[in-house]
Amino acid sequence: QQPVQSPQAVILREGEDAVINCSSSKALYSVHWYRQKHGEAPVFLMILLKGGEQKGHEKISASFNEKKQQSSLYLTASQLSYSGTYFCGTEREGQGFSFIFGKGTRLLVKP
Amino acid sequence: DARVTQTPRHKVTEMGQEVTMRCQPILGHNTVFWYRQTMMQGLELLAYFRNRAPLDDSGMPKDRFSAEMPDATLATLKIQPSEPRDSAVYFCASGFLLSGANVLTFGAGSRLTVL
Repeated sequence: QQPVQSPQAVILREGEDAVINCSSSKALYSVHWYRQKHGEAPVFLMILLKGGEQKGHEKISASFNEKKQQSSLYLTASQLSYSGTYFCGTEREGQGFSFIFGKGTRLLVKP
Repeated sequence: DARVTQTPRHKVTEMGQEVTMRCQPILGHNTVFWYRQTMMQGLELLAYFRNRAPLDDSGMPKDRFSAEMPDATLATLKIQPSEPRDSAVYFCASGFLLSGANVLTFGAGSRLTVL
């Protein structure tokens, strides 16, 4: 039931792009993305509610393909501040909008 | 700036002792979650409350863990007796439902070490 994220880790140079994927074996109602910096709490980035929907946050955007039960997070022209662990989250089916996370993708942006 | 407040921030205890972690959710939020984070398992859902009613505690070890919301301003997570494998960071998050989906604000976490 837990969403599956790939890759597990990414190392980038500043200015490079990256894509983080999230998939589920269950039908998805929504997909959420959070970022956690080392030693801090996860912080909400964005939520996607509709199939094919795309959203943006600074130079970070995401898409949600409801039919394929997949979401992707796009980081464009990465900055040092993008370093952290990115989690996708989904509703746990049949549990009153309970909420579970994937295991995370660690992103390191180097100068 | 509204925030979720968790106490204690750090706790070191010995195996077998009782541990209670507290969380004050953001005023107006009607959902509260408890997560446990370890390097190996990531963010594991332990308990979920909506309007103070427990809706999902399927991820919580029932023999030693318990979660309650005695009122709208306080959520508690108790471990009795604690074991070394319980060492982790415990996060409380409160949220509101947006179009049927939870948007969460996390507390700073309680780092538990059981010796």
